[in-house]
Amino acid sequence: GENVEQHPSTLSVQEGDSAVIKCTYSDSASNYFPWYKQELGKRPQLIIDIRSNVGEKKDQRIAVTLNKTAKHFSLHITETQPEDSAVYFCAASENSGYSTLTFGKGTMLLVSP
Amino acid sequence: EAGVTQFPSHSVIEKGQTVTLRCDPISGHDNLYWYRRVMGKEIKFLLHFVKESKQDESGMPNNRFLAERTGGTYSTLKVQPAELEDSGVYFCASSHATGAGELFFGEGSRLTVL
Repeated sequence: GENVEQHPSTLSVQEGDSAVIKCTYSDSASNYFPWYKQELGKRPQLIIDIRSNVGEKKDQRIAVTLNKTAKHFSLHITETQPEDSAVYFCAASENSGYSTLTFGKGTMLLVSP
Repeated sequence: EAGVTQFPSHSVIEKGQTVTLRCDPISGHDNLYWYRRVMGKEIKFLLHFVKESKQDESGMPNNRFLAERTGGTYSTLKVQPAELEDSGVYFCASSHATGAGELFFGEGSRLTVL
């Protein structure tokens, strides 16, 4: 089955800095890679996703890159703000049928003012 | 539109007792998932319903866990008897489409087994 590794487990940055979270996956059949953000005490919510037909996707201050050859994908947050502080989870699945998401262990991002 | 709701938000029980967690998915979502997160670990898949049928229950840890979704609406996850290692946050999520797409999560039910 799929195995998703996520690094780092914690990340502290100053407001305005960039933050990068990296994930690797094991199943070459995976081709859907979402990122979820969970603020303290709240539910995980999808913030961005990428499918294997593209290498990069951007939405305002967040971007995701995908390297299928190396089986890794990354989340990039620019100009970080305190409200970006949360736990971020990467995940992977096949893009067909009743495939299920396999999540990484999460990265706790702390943005200090 | 109401999101995914879970009850209870927090449950504290003793080892050997029984707990039942409930999930109400977004109306019209045929797909309902249960996940669990033990502190510091990944959000781990438990099982997937499509309407009232179990599509995939490969993540269920053992036969102390029983999930149901009678009528294809809300779902329950019963743990009987609970063990210490069952502690964690149990998330329910639902989605409309088959195939890969956004999961809408509930806020989770935190289970503490003493």
